[in-house]
Amino acid sequence: GAVVSQHPSRVICKSGTSVKIECRSLDFQATTMFWYRQFPKKSLMLMATSNEGSKATYEQGVEKDKFLINHASLTLSTLTVTSAHPEDSSFYICSARGGETDRSYEQYFGPGTRLTVT
Amino acid sequence: AQKITQTQPGMFVQEKEAVTLDCTYDTSDPSYGLFWYKQPSSGEMIFLIYQGSYDQQNATEGRYSLNFQKARKSANLVISASQLGDSAMYFCAMREGLNTGNQFYFGTGTSLTVIP
Repeated sequence: GAVVSQHPSRVICKSGTSVKIECRSLDFQATTMFWYRQFPKKSLMLMATSNEGSKATYEQGVEKDKFLINHASLTLSTLTVTSAHPEDSSFYICSARGGETDRSYEQYFGPGTRLTVT
Repeated sequence: AQKITQTQPGMFVQEKEAVTLDCTYDTSDPSYGLFWYKQPSSGEMIFLIYQGSYDQQNATEGRYSLNFQKARKSANLVISASQLGDSAMYFCAMREGLNTGNQFYFGTGTSLTVIP
């Protein structure tokens, strides 16, 4: 099946710094990628939808100046958490819309990035 | 209104027994897709099964089957012959419309524990 990777898998950063999370589709071209945030023992909350070559569409309540999303190519989307604060600590998961496969109805999820802001 | 409702925060099942995880959904779109994902403690989301709104048959994938009751707007996941490795969080999700780029709506999840 299609593979989506995320890097890093875990990151610890100091309050006030920025951190970048990469999401890559390894064996297909992903015109659309999604970024989710998940708090412990909670559901996935969609943060934004990212289309290659255009600005991301953010969900209500998500600060686009704080969570910068760049989808520069068909295989890479990045999420940058700017001026991170402890409340930004969370599990961030990306997913990519499947390409022309038998299971094009699927979204393929990355393994997630656990961000801890100290 | 919640798009996806999972009313069982936690479930226990004896190894080798079957278990049903409940999911109800709410949409006015005649075209939609329903998904179940498994999330083990490692965090990755593992696709289990898909049911399209126009599918006549209930979806099955190995030990997983989806009990699709359209009139009741329910899409329960049935896991047969539970294994210890099935212990995980299970999320029901829906995508409205036919565009595969449309967003997913996730339920709050059910934590399944398989007892030896």
